[in-house]
Amino acid sequence: SQTIHQWPATLVQPVGSPLSLECTVEGTSNPNLYWYRQAAGRGLQLLFYSVGIGQISSEVPQNLSASRPQDWQFILSSKKLLLSDSGFYLCAWTEELLNQPQHFGDGTRLSIL
Amino acid sequence: AQSVTQLGSHVSVSEGALVLLRCNYSSSVPPYLFWYVQYPNQGLQLLLKYTTGATLVKGINGFEAEFKKSETSFHLTKPSAHMSDAAEYFCAVSEPHFGNEKLTFGTGTRLTIIP
Repeated sequence: SQTIHQWPATLVQPVGSPLSLECTVEGTSNPNLYWYRQAAGRGLQLLFYSVGIGQISSEVPQNLSASRPQDWQFILSSKKLLLSDSGFYLCAWTEELLNQPQHFGDGTRLSIL
Repeated sequence: AQSVTQLGSHVSVSEGALVLLRCNYSSSVPPYLFWYVQYPNQGLQLLLKYTTGATLVKGINGFEAEFKKSETSFHLTKPSAHMSDAAEYFCAVSEPHFGNEKLTFGTGTRLTIIP
């Protein structure tokens, strides 16, 4: 069966520090991968998605970037964090087929001080 | 462009009462519709989905939703609320694009169950 892992679960970082959040998916090949940010009262905002290795699409201009070095690995990064980067970050995957739902990891709670 | 509106950011119902969470959508093509549930500090879990076919969709934990095209709605219901149903619920819409389905989420409804 397929599983998705995100880490760390919680992270506290100072303003201006770098960021690396990792998401891995097991048990499936060539999944579509997604990074979302969830802010209180605002639902989920799609940040990046990837349909294959090295293929990244950005949905909103921001201080973050994403990379997909392996088929099963999706990384969210920043060179210098801002206070506004605080939030709950969720990774999701879906099969490369029509009509398939997205499956979510347990998320990373990021607090910027 | 697709969008989702969830009426009521907070809903409270008594244990054993009917749960009704409202969702309206807009889409330029026949949509795919989803309901997800989120427990505190966890990711989202799929409750149910509508793609094509039968408009009444049954999901996990006794939930169901009905796709009403004329009303552009996809309301979530459960006949009898349990304490374990307390969570945040998200409606989402997708316009099918082969190989990359992007979901647009509503802002969520927090469901509280009153003992």
